[in-house]
Amino acid sequence: DARVTQTPRHKVTEMGQEVTMRCQPILGHNTVFWYRQTMMQGLELLAYFRNRAPLDDSGMPKDRFSAEMPDATLATLKIQPSEPRDSAVYFCASGLGQGRNEKLFFGSGTQLSVL
Amino acid sequence: AQKVTQAQTEISVVEKEDVTLDCVYETRDTTYYLFWYKQPPSGELVFLIRRNSFDEQNEISGRYSWNFQKSTSSFNFTITASQVVDSAVYFCALSESGTTSGTYKYIFGTGTRLKVLA
Repeated sequence: DARVTQTPRHKVTEMGQEVTMRCQPILGHNTVFWYRQTMMQGLELLAYFRNRAPLDDSGMPKDRFSAEMPDATLATLKIQPSEPRDSAVYFCASGLGQGRNEKLFFGSGTQLSVL
Repeated sequence: AQKVTQAQTEISVVEKEDVTLDCVYETRDTTYYLFWYKQPPSGELVFLIRRNSFDEQNEISGRYSWNFQKSTSSFNFTITASQVVDSAVYFCALSESGTTSGTYKYIFGTGTRLKVLA
């Protein structure tokens, strides 16, 4: 079964530290989405890529967050410096790039705790 | 303004009861897509169904059924004869045009936690 792989599964860090989360999309998928899930806000779209190019990162705080796709098999989400309010579960999802009707395949998420 | 509203935060039912999860959406697009995803305790969201805005036929898949009503902007999800394994958080989502040409936005509701008690 093809799966979206996210690492690490859990991360505990101290305020001010850099955090990097990684995502390996399903082979052959050309869209990648980053979502953040919190109790208060639910699932918020942070950024999405098609064919490795960022199409929309309007949901991402630009001062501390950055998202990249160095190659087709790796997407990264970086927070520098991290703050306690960044504590959340971060999900990566990939899709076949079929447009608005595409179904997304989600990873298991990275649970981030910033102390 | 919330684009996808799931007013029920949490629902508890006893096994074998039927349960309906509500979803109301808001969009200006004439062409859009609606989805339901399930998030079991393991964490990853799993796709259940998608409908396009031109197809208002209800759909049934086993114990699951979906009722799409464009007139009320609703896309409700019913589980018949619920089972403990149905316990999860269920998300409704809307896909519509993005702000830049050629892009789209995939917006999720806040989810409904369903607890099915044995």
